[in-house]
Formats: sequence, structure tokens, C-alpha cells
Amino acid sequence: AQSVTQLDSHVSVSEGTPVLLRCNYSSSYSPSLFWYVQHPNKGLQLLLKYTSAATLVKGINGFEAEFKKSETSFHLTKPSAHMSDAAEYFCVVSKPGGYNKLIFGAGTRLAVHP
Amino acid sequence: GAVVSQHPSWVICKSGTSVKIECRSLDFQATTMFWYRQFPKQSLMLMATSNEGSKATYEQGVEKDKFLINHASLTLSTLTVTSAHPEDSSFYICSATPVGSYEQYFGPGTRLTVT
Repeated sequence: AQSVTQLDSHVSVSEGTPVLLRCNYSSSYSPSLFWYVQHPNKGLQLLLKYTSAATLVKGINGFEAEFKKSETSFHLTKPSAHMSDAAEYFCVVSKPGGYNKLIFGAGTRLAVHP
Repeated sequence: GAVVSQHPSWVICKSGTSVKIECRSLDFQATTMFWYRQFPKQSLMLMATSNEGSKATYEQGVEKDKFLINHASLTLSTLTVTSAHPEDSSFYICSATPVGSYEQYFGPGTRLTVT
């Protein structure tokens, strides 16, 4: 069975400061991992994905995540937050390859203050 | 590219009536579409997977007679909530996978309110 746990339901940062959104996963095999962002009234957008290649994955809008197997973590980071980063972020796990189900974490709401 | 639309974006219906939600892939053909449900301040739960021209595969606990899914073409899937009740009120999101790809592209969602 697979699952993801997002350790923070809400994160608040000031504009220009680093962002850290934490995610731990559980999987009986080497998983594919994703981060999606959901802005109000917009579809979920893929930020980045890990599929057993490089453990440090760079995504769009300056976000990156590091796959750490020993810690079963896939935390999302960004060096400097922008106001436009305020949104809901989902960590997602899936079996690699094929039309496999995406298992979503509970989500982390990121607030960015001026 | 890879845009998915949903219609309507918001619908209110009376208890006991049925409502249809459309999911379209605008600039690609989708062999597989997925339907998710999202409760307020909660995560997305997969309801069903539909492949063009075949019956949908429903997740455990999802009533297939209540949530009718039709994937009649490579660009359109519909979800019909039959005999809707207030507990069916939710945010319904679809996603589509282009031919030859496994990546899912998500629609903006449809908010259903049953009164």
C-alpha cells in the first residue's frame, strides 16, 4: 500500500524568505512522487516529479524537491517566496509506470505575507 | 498545451434531480480520463477511471449507479450525478491523459451544491 503524509496543513512565510513544505511517503516499492499546486478556480498544476532518476528534482517557478529514500521524504523547497506562490500544495505518490492511481496527501496551504 | 476544461464550473441543483458535468481535453486526445472528488479543505479522492469506448472502473465505495461516467470520445468524458442529495455536494475534478503519455492534466473543477 502507498500513502503520503504532509506534515503541515498550513505554512506561512514572508515574501522573499525560503519555503519548505514537508512530505513523507510510504511505499512497498520504489515510487513515483509528484508535487502539484492548486490555485483557486484553476486546475491542479504539476510542479515537479520524481521517477527514479536524479534525486534532486527541479520544477517550475523555482521550486525543487529532494527524494531521500533513507528518510522516506520528498520535501518541496523554494529559496525565495513570491506572493503568487500562495496556494494549496499536494504531495502525490504513485506506482511507477503505467496508468496507476495517484494517491494525494491532505495538502498544505501556503500563505505568503508582504 | 494540454488544457482540460470542465463545464459547468459551478452548479446548484435540487435534491432528487440529476446533474451532468463535462470534462473536455481541448488540445489533445485522451485515452484515459479520471474523476476525483474533493471535500472542503481536504484532499482529492479518485472516484473512477474511464477509458474511451469502455466502461469506467470505479474505486471501492463509489456507487457506479449514482455516479454515471461516459467516455464517448477521445476528448469528452461526462459524470452524471443521479438523484443528487445534499451529501453529494462537493468539488468534482477531472483529469485527462494524452495518448502515449501517463501524465495527468487536471481540469479546474466543478462545484456542485445540492439543496
